[in-house]
Amino acid sequence: GAGVSQSPSNKVTEKGKDVELRCDPISGHTALYWYRQSLGQGLEFLIYFQGNSAPDKSGLPSDRFSAERTGGSVSTLTIQRTQQEDSAVYLCASSLTATTAADTQYFGPGTRLTVL
Amino acid sequence: AQKVTQAQTEISVVEKEDVTLDCVYETRDTTYYLFWYKQPPSGELVFLIRRNSFDEQNEISGRYSWNFQKSTSSFNFTITASQVVDSAVYFCALRIYNQGGKLIFGQGTELSVKP
Repeated sequence: GAGVSQSPSNKVTEKGKDVELRCDPISGHTALYWYRQSLGQGLEFLIYFQGNSAPDKSGLPSDRFSAERTGGSVSTLTIQRTQQEDSAVYLCASSLTATTAADTQYFGPGTRLTVL
Repeated sequence: AQKVTQAQTEISVVEKEDVTLDCVYETRDTTYYLFWYKQPPSGELVFLIRRNSFDEQNEISGRYSWNFQKSTSSFNFTITASQVVDSAVYFCALRIYNQGGKLIFGQGTELSVKP
């Protein structure tokens, strides 16, 4: 079946603009995660959703970052008033569940965000 | 605090050599899960293995093997008879049982296998 898909694959924006990144998880996966990969910080957890539970937002770096998951499937990560330090690859992953033995996360190809 | 350390930033070997990638983790929790992922030049993270803290059996999958030792908090990964296609960045990651689904990643080890 299809894996995790993300769009766009590349996004170039100007400082101060808002951007939206999209993630389509594997069908049937109830858990969805966002991570950020940058040269200086490595792979960092941002946020995760598990079914209808409140999301774990503990990794979001500032209130400029937000995410939502509609209908338990597609998720959108929004960055408002982008800054140059937001430049990174944003990775989405999904798993059957978040907290049992079926917690293996499968990653999408990522969105490379460049803030000029 | 939980942490994963991959002390080897870069490793370069010649094809057919064996290579071991080190992973050391820190946690006070007794229930946790360890993972290895491969990130080839294409960029997509590929899942390799998952191990829970109660299962210290070593595992072999083809040319890949993993050595989990709780006594030294290590979960090392060995590639036997390396091939050029093994060239990638390899990440070790930790998930704590009662802290939801987030993965704590090491900094990664870039493996270069030369023909």
